[in-house]
Amino acid sequence: NAGVMQNPRHLVRRRGQEARLRCSPVKGHSHVYWYRQLPEEGLKFMVYLQKENIIDESGMPKERFSAEFPKEGPSILRIQQVVRGDSAAYFCASSPGGQQGRGEQYFGPGTRLTVT
Amino acid sequence: KQEVTQIPAALSVPEGENLVLNCSFTDSAIYNLQWFRQDPGKGLTSLLLIQSSQREQTSGRLNASLDKSSGRSTLYIAASQPGDSATYLCAVKGGSEKLVFGKGTKLTVNP
Repeated sequence: NAGVMQNPRHLVRRRGQEARLRCSPVKGHSHVYWYRQLPEEGLKFMVYLQKENIIDESGMPKERFSAEFPKEGPSILRIQQVVRGDSAAYFCASSPGGQQGRGEQYFGPGTRLTVT
Repeated sequence: KQEVTQIPAALSVPEGENLVLNCSFTDSAIYNLQWFRQDPGKGLTSLLLIQSSQREQTSGRLNASLDKSSGRSTLYIAASQPGDSATYLCAVKGGSEKLVFGKGTKLTVNP
């Protein structure tokens, strides 16, 4: 049973380019979460999605960042016009939602974004 | 606003020692608390999850306790091994679905 998969594992972008990070949740999980880990910082919540819906985006920067979780396919975190301060590790987590799974979130290996 | 603090930030111990990692949180209205392990450049591995109604959870050499009223959790590692070297993260889940993380304790177990 595959866990959460993220790709790419490493991504290098020049300032001003777009970054697209993909996350495939655990099979059967309908809830996806994105977290960001800046150097020397803890993980910070960004956004919580269910299929085709953004439930909580309170941690998302107001500009340049967007996320989606379509009916088919992986969840995508998109960063437009990247800046050096966007360099970080981006982690995706999933859960089955509802009363299943005891509220536990399962994390992927992360995508390490470097902006040059 | 929930805040999670982990003390110490770093810990170095000789192999075989028993040790305790501490986690404190400011809002006691939590749903659960998870302890994770993170190896350098890697993702997070869930170690233990304690529901708010529970006092402790055990897995092998690991034991996690939860005192919700005082806003504290501890992770006890028995008979530490060099392979236990990693950063240990504590995260709490409150009324919303998001996890609030501490900055972690970096553990080094010396052979």
